[in-house]
Formats: sequence, C-alpha cells, structure tokens
Amino acid sequence: AQTVTQSQPEMSVQEAETVTLSCTYDTSENNYYLFWYKQPPSRQMILVIRQEAYKQQNATENRFSVNFQKAAKSFSLKISDSQLGDTAMYFCAFMKPLTQGGSEKLVFGKGTKLTVNP
Amino acid sequence: SAVISQKPSRDICQRGTSLTIQCQVDSQVTMMFWYRQQPGQSLTLIATANQGSEATYESGFVIDKFPISRPNLTFSTLTVSNMSPEDSSIYLCSVGQGAREQYFGPGTRLTVT
Repeated sequence: AQTVTQSQPEMSVQEAETVTLSCTYDTSENNYYLFWYKQPPSRQMILVIRQEAYKQQNATENRFSVNFQKAAKSFSLKISDSQLGDTAMYFCAFMKPLTQGGSEKLVFGKGTKLTVNP
Repeated sequence: SAVISQKPSRDICQRGTSLTIQCQVDSQVTMMFWYRQQPGQSLTLIATANQGSEATYESGFVIDKFPISRPNLTFSTLTVSNMSPEDSSIYLCSVGQGAREQYFGPGTRLTVT
C-alpha cells in the first residue's frame, strides 16, 4: 500500500520570504500522480499543484513549485514570496494511475500547518 | 471543474443516533468519494461510490456503520450510524476528473455529544 509522509507538523515563515514543505512517499508503482492541497480555516480543500511521475520537469504554478525527486520518492513544495493568505494546512497526496487499478482515490499525508507571519 | 455542495454544513448529534450527509455535484461523474477528517488529522478515505453498484469500503470502514447511497450520477449520501463521540469529524465528499484533479465539497462538521 502507498504511504505518504510529511515530517513537518508545523512551519512558519515571514511574509515575502520562501518556505519549503517536505513530502516523501512509498510506492512500488512506476507511474502515478502527486498533489499538494491547501486547506485554509474555511475547510475547503484547494489544489495547489500537481505532478505526473513520468514527467521529469518540476511543476510550477505562479509562486508555487515542486522539487520532484522520483528516485528518492520525494516531492517538496516551495512557496515563494509568501503571503498571509498562504496560511493553511498543506497536504501532500498520492494517486495511482487509473490504468493500473487506480480509482482516483487519494492517499494523504498527515499535513503541515503553515503560518505566514506579517 | 466541478462544484460540490454538502448538507448539512455542520451538526451536533446525540450519541446513538444517525446522521445522513448529502453531496450534490453540478455535473455527472462516475465516481464519488467520501473522506473523514478527524480533529487535527489528515483525510482518510471511507469509501468509493459508483453509480449503480455497491460502494467499495476501505479497510477499517464497514457498510453497517457508514451506509452509502448513489442513486444517480450527481448525488450521493453518507450515513453515520449509531454515532459515538469518536465519530466527531469533518466528512468530505469529492469527485475526480481523471487524474487531473479531485474536487472537494466544503465538508460537514459533525460533533457527537
């Protein structure tokens, strides 16, 4: 079974600075998908960024980027120019490919609580 | 994209009773998912609900405790039966768009006293 580990329960960063959240995972699959979701106090789960394992290029979305190291099974999230609105729980998640018995279900890490300080 | 609504948004229930949570999607989807998020914890999948077939439950979750209905391609319900304080959680439904993204409802915050 796949597992996702986030080793940082809490982190804080000053506004406008850069922060990196760590995520490692364990799988025997070769193709899969990785996600970072954000959950602010409103509880709404919001997709931050997505990475396909067969793509070597790291995904980027504006101020958010990932460092995907497939051999090391590592998938860290970098937030640049942190903003107060980035304060939230961040969850790393894994999805098996649909063609290999996957069903779009996500396996989540325990989350990292990020606080952006003014 | 998909817009998902859930009812109720929150509820406080007595132990031993049951609560049914509704999930409505604005488009037709094959699979719907129900997750539980216990206080301060991550999301754990309860079951996958396909239209026209029995739900598939994850290890540790059983149909008698969490019966699910999926009468059509836009709607599902999750019932939390014979509740105890340990069932106090946020319950979220979600739908997938292949492997591109999974969209989540706003969640139902359940407190069992």
